[in-house]
Amino acid sequence: DIVMTQSPLSLPVTLGQSASISCRSSQGLVSNDGNTYLTWFQQRPGQSPRRLIYKVSNRDSGAPDRFSGSGSGTDFTLKISRVEAEDVGVYFCMQGTLWPYTFGQGTKLEIK
Amino acid sequence: QVQLVESGGGLVTPGGSLRLSCAASGFSFSDYYMSWIRQAPGKGLECISYITTSSYTYYADSVQGRFTISRDNAKNSLYLQMNSLRAGDTAVYFCARENWKSVDSWGQGTLVTVSS
Repeated sequence: DIVMTQSPLSLPVTLGQSASISCRSSQGLVSNDGNTYLTWFQQRPGQSPRRLIYKVSNRDSGAPDRFSGSGSGTDFTLKISRVEAEDVGVYFCMQGTLWPYTFGQGTKLEIK
Repeated sequence: QVQLVESGGGLVTPGGSLRLSCAASGFSFSDYYMSWIRQAPGKGLECISYITTSSYTYYADSVQGRFTISRDNAKNSLYLQMNSLRAGDTAVYFCARENWKSVDSWGQGTLVTVSS
């Protein structure tokens, strides 16, 4: 199975500042069809996960443009610019290139 | 809008069985792959099974041979039959819609507790 490793696991951020979360895969995520199936989710306390970004950098409708994704190969990053109080929660990356799809351990974002 | 509503969770003794259901609405259910994803208490997420539009099925090693995913397109419903349950299967089970080898919609989850 592909192992997804996130860092940091805990991320205290000051309101209005930016934050970055790293996600590394144990092998490259480029699929046979040329796409890279790397997704980012946000899970607010007590809620189901919500997709923010798919295929590395495509933002979902409804996801604020403060969220952006980047990366290639085995290294990927979620950036949150101008952190707001509603951004508190756990962020997960997930690879969909190979079954079983696998998730990172999660990064808990909190406000300082 | 897309709605996924799970049901069927509860307390079951080790070795027992449970059947989860997911009622889908707000989209053309038969056009989408569907998945079951679980989250153990305080832990991360695990994709355990998915089913294609043609009803081909895939399982994680952790549940292979014990769990069976199925769908009824006429009823817009997804199912997960869970047999030989273990304590390690205790988790919230989410029904999810797959799109672009990703998950774009999640249900609210149903809690399965395996304990004597």
